[in-house]
Amino acid sequence: EAQVTQNPRYLITVTGKKLTVTCSQNMNHEYMSWYRQDPGLGLRQIYYSMNVEVTDKGDVPEGYKVSRKEKRNFPLILESPSPNQTSLYFCASSGATQETQYFGPGTRLLVL
Amino acid sequence: GENVEQHPSTLSVQEGDSAVIKCTYSDSASNYFPWYKQELGKGPQLIIDIRSNVGEKKDQRIAVTLNKTAKHFSLHITETQPEDSAVYFCAALSNFGNEKLTFGTGTRLTIIP
Repeated sequence: EAQVTQNPRYLITVTGKKLTVTCSQNMNHEYMSWYRQDPGLGLRQIYYSMNVEVTDKGDVPEGYKVSRKEKRNFPLILESPSPNQTSLYFCASSGATQETQYFGPGTRLLVL
Repeated sequence: GENVEQHPSTLSVQEGDSAVIKCTYSDSASNYFPWYKQELGKGPQLIIDIRSNVGEKKDQRIAVTLNKTAKHFSLHITETQPEDSAVYFCAALSNFGNEKLTFGTGTRLTIIP
């Protein structure tokens, strides 16, 4: 089954404790992206990657890191989480362009 | 950069009636306009899209219209059913320079049985 998987689905952590949210897709897609969803603000892109070893900032990259060492994986790293990073996070993938994005099920993060 | 505005933020309609959600965009270089549906506890899913060289597109009970001159596009759902209840997001994709996909802020649609 074609899908995007994210782990963990729910995460509670404390300020400053490094964490990684994993994302994997099995569709051989070139593009992968990370979004955060906040009430009243919709979906905002954090980072995206057009292919292996190619990443670029989205609209809200501060406080986040990503890497794309393999085509199927695109982890999101929070080196020192803060409460304002409490949010619902989505990973997405698409083919040669950002059209027709396939979203993962989401990761709900609470930073205390 | 691109700015996408979406209205209304919430919408309640009686089952069987029609629902319309509207979006405006600012970047004239945008040429692809998708609509995503997000059901409770799930990720958004593409339901319909339209390109800038087309004025209208239909798929069963849903349709999207695009007015390039006015820079706005709309989602129309006819004969609404309870399973249409969800959050809907519009988006605009610009190919000028790096590809940039910008989402609207979402509309929570509730179908009243």
